[in-house]
Parts: sequence; C-alpha cells; structure tokens
Amino acid sequence: EAQVTQNPRYLITVTGKKLTVTCSQNMNHEYMSWYRQDPGLGLRQIYYSMNVEVTDKGDVPEGYKVSRKEKRNFPLILESPSPNQTSLYFCASSDRGFVDTQYFGPGTRLTVL
Amino acid sequence: AQSVSQHNHHVILSEAASLELGCNYSYGGTVNLFWYVQYPGQHLQLLLKYFSGDPLVKGIKGFEAEFIKSKFSFNLRKPSVQWSDTAEYFCAVNAGRFGAGTRLTVKP
Repeated sequence: EAQVTQNPRYLITVTGKKLTVTCSQNMNHEYMSWYRQDPGLGLRQIYYSMNVEVTDKGDVPEGYKVSRKEKRNFPLILESPSPNQTSLYFCASSDRGFVDTQYFGPGTRLTVL
Repeated sequence: AQSVSQHNHHVILSEAASLELGCNYSYGGTVNLFWYVQYPGQHLQLLLKYFSGDPLVKGIKGFEAEFIKSKFSFNLRKPSVQWSDTAEYFCAVNAGRFGAGTRLTVKP
C-alpha cells in the first residue's frame, strides 16, 4: 500500500531533550516536506527536500533540522525542543516536486513541557 | 510572497445545505491550486486540484471548485452537504503554501 509513515505518533518530552521524528514513504517520490499545524494558522512548511541530499528552508525552519540521505526517508530533528514547538507535525511527499499533489503521513502530536 | 487566505474560520451548516468555502491567493506566477480535507483524527488528503484547462474542477465526494484568475480565487463548493463532510478544509497554492483552514461542521 502506498503510504507515508511517521513515528512516533505521539510524543511528550521536556525542554532541551533532543528528539527525532521519522518519516518514510514507499512511493519513490523525490519531493518530501515537513509541516507543522497550529490552530488558526493552518499548515506551515518547516523544511522541504527536492531530492536526496537537497534540502531547503520553508517558512518556519527555526529550531529544526532535517536530512535526506535516502530517497525514502526524511527525518525531522529537534536538537533542543522548546514549548513553542508543541504542535501537530505532518510529513508529506509528492512525485513531481512541490507543484504536485502531496501525500501526507498520519501526523505526530508533539508536546514539549 | 505567496499567501493564501481562507475567509471563513468555522462554518456550521445543516445537512442538505449548500456549501461554498472561499480561498484567495496572492502569487504572481503560475499557480497550481489544491483543496485538501482533514477528517477528524485523520491525515490530510486531496479533495481536488487545478493545474490548467477547464477552470471548473470536480473532485471526490461531489465537491467542485472554480478557478477565477481575475479574482485570484479558488472557491470550493458542494450543492448538498452531508454529516460525513464534517472536517477541516485547506486551500493550498503550489503545494507548499496553505491557508489557515476552514472547519466545517454539518449538523444532522
């Protein structure tokens, strides 16, 4: 089944404790992206990747890192999480770049205490 | 800079009522327009999209949207909503830019 998977689905952590949210897609898509969803603000793009080893900042990259060592994986790293990073995070992928339909993962609800 | 505005934050309708959700965008180049839907507890999925051609596009579950270039708009419509349409709806431009979303509640 074609899908985007994220882990963990729920995470409660404390300020400053490094964490990684994994994202994997099995559709051989070149483009992958991370978003955060906050009430009243919709989805805001954090980082995106057009292909392996190619990543770029979205609208809200501060406090986040990403890497794209393999085509299928695009982990989101929070080196020193803070409470303002409490949010719902979505990973997405698409076939022909950022102008194509995106397929979204199930989301990761992160709470930073 | 690209921006997407969705006019309604929360819309409440009764079953069988007609729906129109507004979406306006600001972007000077070629646009690819999308509506995504997020049902309660689920991830976003594509409702419909416009790349080129006929400005009236039809999507899943009876939804349609009209691209009006002169108005920079891409409004979503459905003639008769059902309780199962209760969800949050997001307009997007060129995939990476989303509106704030409109929450639709349909009362049975």
